[in-house]
Amino acid sequence: AQTVTQSQPEMSVQEAETVTLSCTYDTSENNYYLFWYKQPPSRQMILVIRQEAYKQQNATENRFSVNFQKAAKSFSLKISDSQLGDTAMYFCAFMSSGQGGSEKLVFGKGTKLTVNP
Amino acid sequence: KAGVTQTPRYLIKTRGQQVTLSCSPISGHRSVSWYQQTPGQGLQFLFEYFSETQRNKGNFPGRFSGRQFSNSRSEMNVSTLELGDSALYLCASSKRGTEAETQYFGPGTRLLVL
Repeated sequence: AQTVTQSQPEMSVQEAETVTLSCTYDTSENNYYLFWYKQPPSRQMILVIRQEAYKQQNATENRFSVNFQKAAKSFSLKISDSQLGDTAMYFCAFMSSGQGGSEKLVFGKGTKLTVNP
Repeated sequence: KAGVTQTPRYLIKTRGQQVTLSCSPISGHRSVSWYQQTPGQGLQFLFEYFSETQRNKGNFPGRFSGRQFSNSRSEMNVSTLELGDSALYLCASSKRGTEAETQYFGPGTRLLVL
């Protein structure tokens, strides 16, 4: 079974600075997908970024980018120019390759990020 | 395009009762997945429905069940509620094409069992 580990339960960063959230995962599969979701105090789960394992290029989405190291099974999220609205729980998630199979997300325990003014 | 909607948003039940939660996916999305979120266990997969068929089920007792209708709307039911069923129940929808699709989440239903 796949597992996802987020080793930083809590982190804080000053507004406008950069922060990196760590995520490692364990799988024997070669094709899979990785996601970062954020959950602000409203509890609405919001997609931040998605990475396909077969793509070598790291995904970016505005101020958010990932460092995907397939061999090390590492998938970190970098947030640049942190904003107060980035304050949230961040979850790393794994999904096996679809191809007709189940689209089940396996989540890490989350990292609580606080952006300070 | 409207997002995933879940009703009701909040529920208070007592032990032994049953509850039904509803989820309407994004228009055009045919897959609906359900997750339970608790402080102790985190986010856990309950089940996924696609074309009115359950594709996968997580490690939950038979008291947890679900179904999907022809319009892709889904319901989940929990019978004989226990205190430990208190949680945020999240529904997510995806297009479910030939490649794994991104899941988009609803706002959740917060269930409190007394």
